[in-house]
Order: sequence, then structure tokens, then C-alpha cells
Amino acid sequence: NAGVTQTPKFRVLKTGQSMTLLCAQDMNHEYMYWYRQDPGMGLRLIHYSVGEGTTAKGEVPDGYNVSRLKKQNFLLGLESAAPSQTSVYFCASSMGGAQYFGPGTRLTVL
Amino acid sequence: SQQGEEDPQALSIQEGENATMNCSYKTSINNLQWYRQNSGRGLVHLILIRSNEREKHSGRLRVTLDTSKKSSSLLITASRAADTASYFCATDAKGTSGSRLTFGEGTQLTVNP
Repeated sequence: NAGVTQTPKFRVLKTGQSMTLLCAQDMNHEYMYWYRQDPGMGLRLIHYSVGEGTTAKGEVPDGYNVSRLKKQNFLLGLESAAPSQTSVYFCASSMGGAQYFGPGTRLTVL
Repeated sequence: SQQGEEDPQALSIQEGENATMNCSYKTSINNLQWYRQNSGRGLVHLILIRSNEREKHSGRLRVTLDTSKKSSSLLITASRAADTASYFCATDAKGTSGSRLTFGEGTQLTVNP
């Protein structure tokens, strides 16, 4: 089992560019989450999903969109990147208890 | 806003000593969880304690929960250099959907050999 995987691992964007981060899990988990982590801080929830075809806003959703077309995948999109979105992004999945995290994507927006 | 707040922000101890980290939170919870994060890596789940539990053990870890004080503590006994990491508490608040977690800002633990 690969657990939770994220692609890409690193990315540098220019302001205004768009990109999609992919999260995949092979544990058949219902719930999936996208977080961002800024230096010296804990994780903040961006969006989450309680099942295939459903998504909901978290604590800091502005500037991001998500889709969950397949149960195993959860995509995070940035339509027009801003320097404030420079961060490390983590995906996680769960069945309602412990969350299992991916290795993270380090995104820099210039 | 951060539901959980860890104390201290940083802790430095010698190998073999015990490390205690505390977490306070604001609202009623379903459960409280502790996670570890090694530098540059994803978070790893350590232990989950439900709101009706007072203490839980897992290997060298002991977690306590006091719902009347809205606080929890994580004790790592006989620490090792490999325990050096950031530790986060996270709460699953009552009344929210999707088993969402709210994380604190973490305690940076350094265990010196």
C-alpha cells in the first residue's frame, strides 16, 4: 500500500498562473482533506470531502477550488496564484478517526 | 482560528528524560488527537483519545484528557534522539461534519544525545 501520495513534490509558479495538486489514497477512505502549513504554524484546513462527488469549505478556502470525481483522488486547484499562497500543502485521508497524511507539496509563488 | 494551543512552544531535553507537552482547546470535542511531524515531512498520527476517556497509553506515550479544563497532555517517557520532531494536538469538535480536525501550532521537541 502506498498510503497517501501527492504530486508534485515541489513547484514554483509566477503570480497569476494556475496549477492543480493531485492527492491519491489507496486505503478506500471516505474522507479527504487539503491543508496548508505556513512557517512555525499548525495546519489550516482549506477544503475537505466526505465522499466521492462531495466537497466543502474549510477554514481558509479563498483562492482554491477542489474536486473529488473519484473516491481515491482529491484535486486542489489554484486558478490565479498569489504570493500569499506560498506554503506547504498537505493532503490527508481518514475513515473518521486518525488522519493519514501525504508527504506534502512545497509551492512557491513569485 | 486555532482551536488547540500547545505549551511550551519549544522544549529541549536530554536523552532518557521525559517530555511533557500540553494542549488547551476551546469547544466541546468528540476526540483529541496527537500527531508528530519530522522536519520537512508529513504528519504521523500518534494517538487518539475520545471525550469519554481520561487516559490512554501507546508504547512510551501517555495521553491524558481533562474535558472539564479543556486540556490534554502528551508524555513521552525515556526520550530518544529520534523523538526530535514537532508535536501537534488536533481536536475534532462536536457538531461539525466530516471529522474535521483543528490543529494547534505545535511544540518543537529537541532531544539531545
